[in-house]
Amino acid sequence: SQQGEEDPQALSIQEGENATMNCSYKTSINNLQWYRQNSGRGLVHLILIRSNEREKHSGRLRVTLDTSKKSSSLLITASRAADTASYFCATDVRGQGAQKLVFGQGTRLTINP
Amino acid sequence: NAGVTQTPKFQVLKTGQSMTLQCAQDMNHEYMSWYRQDPGMGLRLIHYSVGAGITDQGEVPNGYNVSRSTTEDFPLRLLSAAPSQTSVYFCASSYRWDRGYEQYFGPGTRLTVT
Repeated sequence: SQQGEEDPQALSIQEGENATMNCSYKTSINNLQWYRQNSGRGLVHLILIRSNEREKHSGRLRVTLDTSKKSSSLLITASRAADTASYFCATDVRGQGAQKLVFGQGTRLTINP
Repeated sequence: NAGVTQTPKFQVLKTGQSMTLQCAQDMNHEYMSWYRQDPGMGLRLIHYSVGAGITDQGEVPNGYNVSRSTTEDFPLRLLSAAPSQTSVYFCASSYRWDRGYEQYFGPGTRLTVT
């Protein structure tokens, strides 16, 4: 399937540092979304970037999209303990008629106090 | 708004039993979907619906049935449970699909099949 792949699979940093996660995908997309999942909970939408956008900000989050490389990155600045979670990218696949989001396997982020 | 609610939170089934996972949303969303999440994996789409009376299959539909008789509810039926269906199931909804709206997720149902 045309699945997004996150890199790294796991990331551990000190509180206050910046965290960067990457997502690569295989086919043309309408948009790409990032979600956060705290342990044992449902996913929470963080940010959506459309295929004609290159960068988007939301608070401490910065997302970039490079459609020529079929990749996206999520940067969390000035990390906090509460940012500890798994982060997933999801691609809205273009032209498939299937109307679905395809999720990657996620990056597990740990913020150490 | 309660958002997206799922019941039950936990369920243990024996192989061969059937059951229905409930999902409801109170946001008047047109689009609803069911995913399963297995350890170390992302979410895989089981079935989805773009409106009442309209459903379609996702990536892993075998062993599951859905129906959408109302905008609010989208139950997932396991016909004859198998150990391979042990997973965490998430229901999600969004306003529309064609304009790339974010999805709202329920808290999940953890299902164990023995």
